[in-house]
Amino acid sequence: GAGVSQSPSNKVTEKGKDVELRCDPISGHTALYWYRQSLGQGLEFLIYFQGNSAPDKSGLPSDRFSAERTGGSVSTLTIQRTQQEDSAVYLCASSLITGTSSSYEQYFGPGTRLTVT
Amino acid sequence: KQEVTQIPAALSVPEGENLVLNCSFTDSAIYNLQWFRQDPGKGLTSLLLIQSSQREQTSGRLNASLDKSSGRSTLYIAASQPGDSATYLCALIMIKAAGNKLTFGGGTRVLVKP
Repeated sequence: GAGVSQSPSNKVTEKGKDVELRCDPISGHTALYWYRQSLGQGLEFLIYFQGNSAPDKSGLPSDRFSAERTGGSVSTLTIQRTQQEDSAVYLCASSLITGTSSSYEQYFGPGTRLTVT
Repeated sequence: KQEVTQIPAALSVPEGENLVLNCSFTDSAIYNLQWFRQDPGKGLTSLLLIQSSQREQTSGRLNASLDKSSGRSTLYIAASQPGDSATYLCALIMIKAAGNKLTFGGGTRVLVKP
């Protein structure tokens, strides 16, 4: 079946503009995660959704970052008033959370490369 | 705070040699551990998931072990091939009722020379 998809694959924006990044998880996966991969910082957790609610927003770096998920499926990560330090690859993952621990495996999308000029 | 370390940061081996990649972590609480492969400009591909109750997992030429008492996991890749060249990341999965976020190591960049 189809894996996790993300759009756009690349985004170049000017400093101060807002951007929206989209993630389509694997069908039926209830959990959705956003991560950021930047030079010198490695991969860091941003936010987690279980269904449409976000129990863990601890990784969001500032109040310029927000995310939502609708219909238990598609998620959008929004960055307002972008700064150059926001340049990174934003990765989305999904997993099927059930009673078996093997379902905790996370499957990643190809990422969106964001460049703020 | 959980810290995950991967040493070395880069590794170069001739084709056919076995690869040994190390991952260490500071918190010995109950976690699952996942190994990933990342090719340049691409997302992450899951290789193996070791549950907290397991000591190892195998898939083809890959074998991953987990020793919680020493805070270590090792990924072995037998008879390496040039196609194995990639960055390998380990990640701890903190299992909580509110979700299972991953804490990643910095990765080991592997080059297998033909």
